[in-house]
Amino acid sequence: DADVTQTPRNRITKTGKRIMLECSQTKGHDRMYWYRQDPGLGLRLIYYSFDVKDINKGEISDGYSVSRQAQAKFSLSLESAIPNQTALYFCATRGEGSGTEAFFGQGTRLTVV
Amino acid sequence: AQSVTQLGSHVSVSEGALVLLRCNYSSSVPPYLFWYVQYPNQGLQLLLKYTSAATLVKGINGFEAEFKKSETSFHLTKPSAHMSDAAEYFCAVSRNQGGKLIFGQGTELSVKP
Repeated sequence: DADVTQTPRNRITKTGKRIMLECSQTKGHDRMYWYRQDPGLGLRLIYYSFDVKDINKGEISDGYSVSRQAQAKFSLSLESAIPNQTALYFCATRGEGSGTEAFFGQGTRLTVV
Repeated sequence: AQSVTQLGSHVSVSEGALVLLRCNYSSSVPPYLFWYVQYPNQGLQLLLKYTSAATLVKGINGFEAEFKKSETSFHLTKPSAHMSDAAEYFCAVSRNQGGKLIFGQGTELSVKP
């Protein structure tokens, strides 16, 4: 089984709909991250969480919200999807310390029409 | 704020040629630096990381990178490209405070036969 699992892998939704992307990890790490990937822009940080009670905004949090349901689960929601939120979304988890490796999920390709 | 810049969004080399992917960071304090690779339709995986133990870092698949504080650079190299190296490569930076992992824009490497 993968260390980080994202569901769904692909999703097409309509403008204005609420959608949730889910992420679970089996690494036992406290820190979890949500990124979006756009061509030419690399990965941009949306939200990150150091534990269930510690959630922080990243570079581009507007239009998104998150929920840390447990140490292993971190969900990303788009309250009212818009077309420019069409992107590839990645969840990641990381151990303690700034020199630790991040483990990524396979990504969720979201299309908003 | 810490950031990382990758020079060149696309790099094309011939099979067997030297691979050089450039990364510069902005930080008043030497950070932790990472190179990740993303193969088509997959998540990111760690190639190598710099955590101040040694300035020349060796990674997987024959890649290495050299940390140069005077140039604020962490360029990725491989002496001889292989077709299987075709992928997108991301440089990332992390510092002690905050725990954020910030990525560059990415460089797509093409390898010609």
